[in-house]
Amino acid sequence: GAGVSQTPSNKVTEKGKYVELRCDPISGHTALYWYRQSLGQGPEFLIYFQGTGAADDSGLPNDRFFAVRPEGSVSTLKIQRTERGDSAVYLCASSLTAHTGELFFGEGSRLTVL
Amino acid sequence: QQQVKQSPQSLIVQKGGISIINCAYENTAFDYFPWYQQFPGKGPALLIAIRPDVSEKKEGRFTISFNKSAKQFSLHIMDSQPGDSATYFCAASISGFKTIFGAGTRLFVKA
Repeated sequence: GAGVSQTPSNKVTEKGKYVELRCDPISGHTALYWYRQSLGQGPEFLIYFQGTGAADDSGLPNDRFFAVRPEGSVSTLKIQRTERGDSAVYLCASSLTAHTGELFFGEGSRLTVL
Repeated sequence: QQQVKQSPQSLIVQKGGISIINCAYENTAFDYFPWYQQFPGKGPALLIAIRPDVSEKKEGRFTISFNKSAKQFSLHIMDSQPGDSATYFCAASISGFKTIFGAGTRLFVKA
């Protein structure tokens, strides 16, 4: 595809359940980012990958959140034991390299924890 | 930590008017300052960006003014149109890494 693709677009789950959110970046982009956007707020940095490795995961709120990018392309954000406060839109972005600056965002995955 | 402070939270402008959104930053190591535009249900998209070696950058109706000594930068939208109604985010990063976003400004342009 031409842009960043995120699935699912919407996910409703119950408190305590496990959730996986997937991101397929633009082909050839080596850097991949996860952000979280709460209603009426700006995107909040979670983690970014350069290639397969997590170069900076300082934004992950706690150890219930984990992300992988095993082959340097598709990434999965994993949330264990979901809480109501995890409800937000999770945005994925990619860039040609980490130095490029311009982020290309997907449309996000809206997570609702009941 | 909020390293990029944005104002106002919301803005209503008449069609044809000038929209002005302001941002202030704290970290003097920031060297890349983009503005993103977001429509409902979509991800943010880069609008225009500036580096601190220039004081102004213009692209069409959009201009960034940058004041390094004051650690402030602003977005000016000239001849604002209803299609410009969206949420605008200022942001900052160090050499493109880990972009930090402001809280956003919801712009509404009245026809």
